[in-house]
Amino acid sequence: EAQVTQNPRYLITVTGKKLTVTCSQNMNHEYMSWYRQDPGLGLRQIYYSMNVEVTDKGDVPEGYKVSRKEKRNFPLILESPSPNQTSLYFCASSLLGTGTNTEAFFGQGTRLTVV
Amino acid sequence: GNSVTQMEGPVTLSEEAFLTINCTYTATGYPSLFWYVQYPGEGLQLLLKATKADDKGSNKGFEATYRKETTSFHLEKGSVQVSDSAVYFCALEGGYNKLIFGAGTRLAVHP
Repeated sequence: EAQVTQNPRYLITVTGKKLTVTCSQNMNHEYMSWYRQDPGLGLRQIYYSMNVEVTDKGDVPEGYKVSRKEKRNFPLILESPSPNQTSLYFCASSLLGTGTNTEAFFGQGTRLTVV
Repeated sequence: GNSVTQMEGPVTLSEEAFLTINCTYTATGYPSLFWYVQYPGEGLQLLLKATKADDKGSNKGFEATYRKETTSFHLEKGSVQVSDSAVYFCALEGGYNKLIFGAGTRLAVHP
């Protein structure tokens, strides 16, 4: 079954304690990205990757890091989480291209609370 | 820059009512347009898409037509069901696979 898998689904942590949210896809997609979802703002892109070892900032990258060492995995790293990073996070993947290729497949989300 | 504006929710309807969720966009050129749906506790799923002007996307009884004259992509369904209760996101392709989303519209359908 084609899917994007994120872990964990729920996470409560304290300010400053480093954490990683994992993301894996089994569709051999080149493009992967991370979004955060906040009420009234929709989804905003944090980071994206067009292929292995190729990553770049999205619209709201401050406070986040990513890596792409393998095609299927794209972890999101918060080196020193702060309360304003409390949000719902989604990983997505798609084929690289435009138009019909841009259909993105989303993980089930990670609800992060930073206290 | 590119942006998407959706009607604010929540939208509350009775079963079998007609649904319209408005979506307008600002973009350079003619990007592909999408509607995604998020059911409770789940990730987003593609509902329908249109890749050029005057295209009509359709799926599960939902329809949306790409109108370049009015820069709109309104979502419609003739008869909603309780199972359609979800959050609906309009989005456009902002280049290099990037999706730009509207704020989302929550739909609640009551029996």
